[in-house]
Amino acid sequence: AQKVTQAQTEISVVEKEDVTLDCVYETRDTTYYLFWYKQPPSGELVFLIRRNSFDEQNEISGRYSWNFQKSTSSFNFTITASQVVDSAVYFCALVNAGGTSYGKLTFGQGTILTVHP
Amino acid sequence: DTAVSQTPKYLVTQMGNDKSIKCEQNLGHDTMYWYKQDSKKFLKIMFSYNNKELIINETVPNRFSPKSPDKAHLNLHINSLELGDSAVYFCASSQSVEITDTQYFGPGTRLTVL
Repeated sequence: AQKVTQAQTEISVVEKEDVTLDCVYETRDTTYYLFWYKQPPSGELVFLIRRNSFDEQNEISGRYSWNFQKSTSSFNFTITASQVVDSAVYFCALVNAGGTSYGKLTFGQGTILTVHP
Repeated sequence: DTAVSQTPKYLVTQMGNDKSIKCEQNLGHDTMYWYKQDSKKFLKIMFSYNNKELIINETVPNRFSPKSPDKAHLNLHINSLELGDSAVYFCASSQSVEITDTQYFGPGTRLTVL
């Protein structure tokens, strides 16, 4: 069985601060993918990034960066110089290759990020 | 050009009624999903179809019946609605069931059962 834990329920920052959203996962499989999705106040789920279990290189996309560490089973997400438009619920998710996974995404509980002007 | 669309966006109904939510994707994907997001924002998979064939059924009450008339559509029919069915329902699609394929989500349908 797999599990994703986002221990931070809510984070509040002021614009231009950097913020890191934590994600810790559990899986018995050696082959798996990790994802981050954003859910803005409008409600839709927006795909941000996908990372496979064999690629521990960090990734940067504009103000967003992701740190994947297999040793600590973590896939943390950092927003640099946060903006009000970053306010959303952020979900970390996992899919593994084992058994009858069939692409079943297991989500964390989500972290509500509020960026104040 | 919406990739994954759902109708309706909002659905308010009385307990005991039967209702359907429709989902369509224009991405040419083979696999479609239904997820339920509860009031605490927790997202959980309900069903998955690959090429119109059911492949995941996550112990959902049999009042919920998905129907896939073709690869581009996956509808969700709910019988005898209960208060606990109130949630946001998301449809998603991916190229295939392979874990390498990203799932893209629709805008969600907020169901309120009174």
